[in-house]
Formats: sequence, structure tokens, C-alpha cells
Amino acid sequence: NAGVTQTPKFQVLKTGQSMTLQCAQDMNHEYMSWYRQDPGMGLRLIHYSVGAGITDQGEVPNGYNVSRSTTEDFPLRLLSAAPSQTSVYFCASSSETGRAEAFFGQGTRLTVV
Amino acid sequence: GQQLNQSPQSMFIQEGEDVSMNCTSSSIFNTWLWYKQDPGEGPVLLIALYKAGELTSNGRLTAQFGITRKDSFLNISASIPSDVGIYFCAGQWDFNKFYFGSGTKLNVKP
Repeated sequence: NAGVTQTPKFQVLKTGQSMTLQCAQDMNHEYMSWYRQDPGMGLRLIHYSVGAGITDQGEVPNGYNVSRSTTEDFPLRLLSAAPSQTSVYFCASSSETGRAEAFFGQGTRLTVV
Repeated sequence: GQQLNQSPQSMFIQEGEDVSMNCTSSSIFNTWLWYKQDPGEGPVLLIALYKAGELTSNGRLTAQFGITRKDSFLNISASIPSDVGIYFCAGQWDFNKFYFGSGTKLNVKP
């Protein structure tokens, strides 16, 4: 059972570089979302998607783009990385059937220098 | 955005002791969830609560959805060393958008 798979696990970027964090789920979940986790804080919602072709902003969307071309994949793009985006990023998916239980990937630890 | 206050921030307890932590919110939630996070891992769901007043158990864990829908607590009975980790509450109110507390770091001394 793969569940939610995130790649890469670790990444170091220079300020201004771009990159895409990958997230894939094999549970046929409609809902997918991206969170960031900073020291001493809970997870904060960046962007989410309620189905293929539909995305929306969460609490902290600035500096990030998303797209949802398939049910399985929900990549997160950093167009021009900044040190403030140093964080641990988690992707989550949940079912559309009303039981709001989010399943998380193992996270991507991103450092922007 | 939604504000979730989770307490305590950290706890140091002896193996065998019971533990209690709680979350309060300024807003009403439809669902309360409790997660545990081990170092280097993503959060793992422990208990989900769907109705105000609901009391749910999962082994040594018990959680309740407050009557006002603005709070929830998690109890762990007879703690063991593998209970060590960070526990997060999360509230959900719309389209599976979850808002998380800042976590309770649990340390258990054998």
C-alpha cells in the first residue's frame, strides 16, 4: 500500500531557483492538499484541490503554484525560491465521501540558501 | 484564518502515567481529528470525531468532540515509551480544509 508518496525527501535550493515538489496518491481520493510545517507551529494549508482541474488557495499560498491534471497527482511549484520557504512540506489526500480524514505523505524537507 | 490553541506545548511524564491534552478554537468545526507525528515522518491519524459530544476510543487513546464544537481533548492512558512524539489536533469545516494546532510534544521516561 503506497498511500501518499512525496518526492524528493530532501532538497537544497539557491534563492531564485525554481523546483517542483511531487505528490502522488493511489487511493483514488478526490481531495488533495499541500501544507508547510515550520518549527513550533502546526501545519498550515498552502493550496488544495477538490478534484482534477480544480484548485484553490489555502492560508499561505504566496510564492507557490499548483495544478491538478489527474486525480493521482498534485505537484507544488516554487517559481522563485526564497529563504522564507525553508520548511517541511507535506502533501495530504482525503476521500470525498464525507469522512474528513486526511492521509499524509512522509514530507519533503526543503532548505533555501 | 482559523486559530487553534493546543495545550500543553510539551509534557514530560513517567511511563505508566495518564496524559491529557486539548485544543480550543474561536470557530466551530464540523470534524475534529487527532494525529501523531514521529520524527522525520508525516502525521498519522489516531482518532476522528464527527459529532458534537462524541466520545471515541482507540486502544489506550480516548478523544472527545466538545459540545460547543469549539474544543476537543485527547487522553492517553498508561503511557508507554512508544507514545513519544508530537500530537496534533486538527479541525475541519469546509471542503476537507484542515486547520492544525501547534502540537503537544510528549516525552515518556521509562
